[in-house]
Amino acid sequence: DGGITQSPKYLFRKEGQNVTLSCEQNLNHDAMYWYRQDPGQGLRLIYYSQIVNDFQKGDIAEGYSVSREKKESFPLTVTSAQKNPTAFYLCASRRGPGWEQYFGPGTRLTVT
Amino acid sequence: EDKVVQSPLSLVVHEGDTVTLNCSYEVTNFRSLLWYKQEKKAPTFLFMLTSSGIEKKSGRLSSILDKKELFSILNITATQTGDSAVYLCAVKTTDSWGKLQFGAGTQVVVTP
Repeated sequence: DGGITQSPKYLFRKEGQNVTLSCEQNLNHDAMYWYRQDPGQGLRLIYYSQIVNDFQKGDIAEGYSVSREKKESFPLTVTSAQKNPTAFYLCASRRGPGWEQYFGPGTRLTVT
Repeated sequence: EDKVVQSPLSLVVHEGDTVTLNCSYEVTNFRSLLWYKQEKKAPTFLFMLTSSGIEKKSGRLSSILDKKELFSILNITATQTGDSAVYLCAVKTTDSWGKLQFGAGTQVVVTP
């Protein structure tokens, strides 16, 4: 089955700890994206990548980092510099220009 | 600054009612407008609209775009409890990265 997987589904961390969220796709999509969703708000773009070994900051990249070493994988690290990391994180991928983005099931991160 | 505004923020209807959701936008270099349905986790794609005045239809859902007045509507007829979800509107600009600017969403609750 083709699709996007994110793990874990729920993640709990203490303040001051870095945490890495996984995103894997087997759709052979070139472009991948990370969004953050807070209650009552739309999705906000954190980082995006169009090809392997290249990525760009989105609208709210501060306190986050990514890597794109493989086409299938686009992990997101939430660092201790992110002031308000508790949120729902969604990964997406896109086949190419003119195509819609497909979303993974998301990871809900809680930092206390 | 690019802006996407959805209204209403939430509504409650009875099964069988018709629902109309609104999405207005102010973006530079508009390319297309997308609608997604989000039930619990991953937003699922509904429609992509690029041209004005051409209605897209899928079962009981339909959508149309007005590029002169800068808005789109999503209609759901004969609503069912399974239509309960957050409906997200997003606008894509002409940059090659495919970035989406999302609205805050409309929460629809369909009661039996």
